[in-house]
Amino acid sequence: RKEVEQDPGPFNVPEGATVAFNCTYSNSASQSFFWYRQDCRKEPKLLMSVYSSGNEDGRFTAQLNRASQYISLLIRDSKLSDSATYLCVVSSRNTNAGKSTFGDGTTLTVKP
Amino acid sequence: DADVTQTPRNRITKTGKRIMLECSQTKGHDRMYWYRQDPGLGLRLIYYSFDVKDINKGEISDGYSVSRQAQAKFSLSLESAIPNQTALYFCATSRGESGEEKLFFGSGTQLSVL
Repeated sequence: RKEVEQDPGPFNVPEGATVAFNCTYSNSASQSFFWYRQDCRKEPKLLMSVYSSGNEDGRFTAQLNRASQYISLLIRDSKLSDSATYLCVVSSRNTNAGKSTFGDGTTLTVKP
Repeated sequence: DADVTQTPRNRITKTGKRIMLECSQTKGHDRMYWYRQDPGLGLRLIYYSFDVKDINKGEISDGYSVSRQAQAKFSLSLESAIPNQTALYFCATSRGESGEEKLFFGSGTQLSVL
């Protein structure tokens, strides 16, 4: 089983739709959680950190469920420019001191 | 100017050749990383360094070596390149403080081994 698992998609949605991605992780000692966005053949860029209380940044909402060991990303009012691959990233600060583990990514295509 | 710079952007080489990929950063971060990405997959860690005197193997270090020449420079070498090392390679940095494992990436190097 992979340490970080994501539904690869692809998710094909119309503009304006709401879409949600989930990510599960296996290391219960994981401390930090992030969503990155990656455009085709480009470098990943941090979209948002994920906090226990949940956090929102404009149209994007991230949530963490430590008991069930999953994180989610909700995108409301999808735009064409949201088309990308979204990478779930989990980091632990104990034996794997600060190393980040990436999911394989979920591909989103927003259509007119 | 980019905060994390990788060179070259693209490289085509032949099996058995020695290749070096270079990474430099102006962010002042202590931690630097090398990842590779294969099509449809996430990033896998090759090597990482938490400071100039610290080098650690990642999950897929076989066939690779690294050198941390300075806080700002971290190079990746393929001693004898093979075709399954064809991939997109990313260098990244992070600040390394508690809760600050946010990664900042270079633009990547597309390596093709023929």
